[in-house]
This record gives sequence, structure tokens and C-alpha cells, in this order.
Amino acid sequence: QVQLVESGGGVVQPGRSLRLSCAASGFTFSSYGMHWVRQAPGKGLEWVAVISYDGSNKFYADSVKGRFTISRDNSKNTLYLQMSSLRAEDTAVYYCGKDPTAISTGSSGWLDHWGQGTLVTVSS
Amino acid sequence: DIVMTQSPDSLAVSLGERATINCKSSQSVLYSSNNKNYLAWYQQKPGQPPKLLIYWASIRESGVPDRFSGSGSGTDFTLTISSLQAEDVAVYYCQQYYSHPQAFGQGTKLEIK
Repeated sequence: QVQLVESGGGVVQPGRSLRLSCAASGFTFSSYGMHWVRQAPGKGLEWVAVISYDGSNKFYADSVKGRFTISRDNSKNTLYLQMSSLRAEDTAVYYCGKDPTAISTGSSGWLDHWGQGTLVTVSS
Repeated sequence: DIVMTQSPDSLAVSLGERATINCKSSQSVLYSSNNKNYLAWYQQKPGQPPKLLIYWASIRESGVPDRFSGSGSGTDFTLTISSLQAEDVAVYYCQQYYSHPQAFGQGTKLEIK
């Protein structure tokens, strides 16, 4: 069965950096696009970024463009989110999710499986 | 960017009754070349990640009870729960994947009356 396990969250000061990881199992990781979605405490879902199966296509929300970088290591079945210049408004639970397509054409799909999330708190 | 707006923000329905949640996109999410609406619905229960219910606006995900159905096209969509069960208490979100950046609606909280 598909399993996605996020890690790397924690408390970080404003302006600092943090890297999240998402370990995938139960499917052929290298064949599917992957997403990051976040949820601020008590708030709704916000899509953050998506990456194609081979890492060649990446798209970002305007709120994180230029500060966050999505990447993947298909040899390790792991998705990453490098977050820099963090702000208080980046405080959220960060979920990784699997796309049902490879995203080979640049068009991504829905999220058919989600991890349990990892909490990032940006505070001094 | 496409903005997704759900209505109502919250909803209370009696057990066994029908629940209807609406979702409107700021521009069409219907792709004319394949006649598909690039819209999904998710359910999120407290303390849990979201769960996929519906994709392509009306295709139920495997394992989702058939009391859940999606309809609509273009800019106006509906999620219907035909006979509300206690376990359906949750927040429901629509999502467009027609273009980047993808976007979710603000969510609709469904409770038992």
C-alpha cells in the first residue's frame, strides 16, 4: 500500500532555512509526480509546489516562489522541500502527496494519497 | 491565477438527509480538447490528512461510498452526500488542477444538526 512519511519539521527562527523530507513506499516512486500542500493551524489547505516524475518540471505557489525549492531523489524514493527565508506565515503542517500522473507534459493532477504531515513553526 | 470559492462555509444537516456543497472557480476548469473538468473533492476529518473523494469532477475514488457524488461543469460544481452518516462529519475542499498554481477552496465544515 502507498505510504508517505514526512519528516524534518520543527521550530525555526524567521529568516532561517529548513528542509522537509517525504519518504515514499508501496509504489514506483520514479513514475509519479509529487506535491507539497500546507495547512496553517485552524486554516484551510494551501497548495505549495509540484514536481514531475523526473524532476524536470516544477511549479510553485506565488507565496513561496523564490524561497522554496522542491526536489526529489528517485534512488532514495524521497521527496524534498527546501525552505529558506522563512516567515511566520509559513507556519503550518506540511503534507506531501502523490499525483496519479507522471506530470510529463507539465500538467499535474489531483493528490490521490497523502502523508500524515509534519509541523513547521516559524517563531523567534 | 484561478480562485476557488466554496459555499456555504459551514453546513448542518440531519442524519439521513442530503448535504450539498458548492464550489465555484473564477475561470473555467473545463479543458475543451478532452471535455474533462479538472476538479477534485477531498474530505478532511479532525487530526487527519485530507482524503480524496472525487476527481474529474464526478469520478468517485475507489472505496468511497456511493452516497458521495460530484457534478457540475465549467465554473460551477457540487458535492452531494445523498444520506448523511455520522462519519461524514468533516471539512470538505474542492481543488482545481487545470492550471498552475493549483488552488483549493476555503473549505466547508459539515456538521450534524
